[in-house]
Amino acid sequence: AQTVTQSQPEMSVQEAETVTLSCTYDTSESDYYLFWYKQPPSRQMILVIRQEAYKQQNATENRFSVNFQKAAKSFSLKISDSQLGDAAMYFCAYRTMEYGNKLVFGAGTILRVKS
Amino acid sequence: KAGVTQTPRYLIKTRGQQVTLSCSPISGHRSVSWYQQTPGQGLQFLFEYFSETQRNKGNFPGRFSGRQFSNSRSEMNVSTLELGDSALYLCASSPPLTLGTYEQYFGPGTRLTVT
Repeated sequence: AQTVTQSQPEMSVQEAETVTLSCTYDTSESDYYLFWYKQPPSRQMILVIRQEAYKQQNATENRFSVNFQKAAKSFSLKISDSQLGDAAMYFCAYRTMEYGNKLVFGAGTILRVKS
Repeated sequence: KAGVTQTPRYLIKTRGQQVTLSCSPISGHRSVSWYQQTPGQGLQFLFEYFSETQRNKGNFPGRFSGRQFSNSRSEMNVSTLELGDSALYLCASSPPLTLGTYEQYFGPGTRLTVT
């Protein structure tokens, strides 16, 4: 079974600075998808970025980018130019390519943004 | 396009009762997944429905069940409620796999409190 580990329960960043959230996962599969989701205090889960395991190029979405290291099974999220609205719980999630939709989530990292 | 909707948003039930939660996916999405979120266990996959059939099931007791209708709307039912069932229940829908994106879009959740 796949597992996802987020070793940082809480992180803080100054507004306009850069922060990196860590995620590692364990799998025996060679093809899969990885995601970062954001959950603000409203509890609405919002997709931040996705990465296909077969793609070597790291995904980027505006101020959000990932560092995907397949051999190390590492998938970190970098947030540049942090904004107050980035404050939220961030979840790393794994999706197998096996039949069906099922996400395995990490425990989450609370990100606090200081003004 | 309207997002995933869940009703009700908040629910208070008594131990031993049963409850039904509803989820309407994004138009055109036929896959609906359910997750339970608690402070202690984090986000855990309950089950997934596709074309009115349960396609995946997580490790939850038989008290947790679901179904999907021909219009892709889904319901989940919890019978004989226990205090430990208090949680945020999230529903997510997924676009057709032919689009090759594999992400899930979440609803706002139903907060269930069991007293």
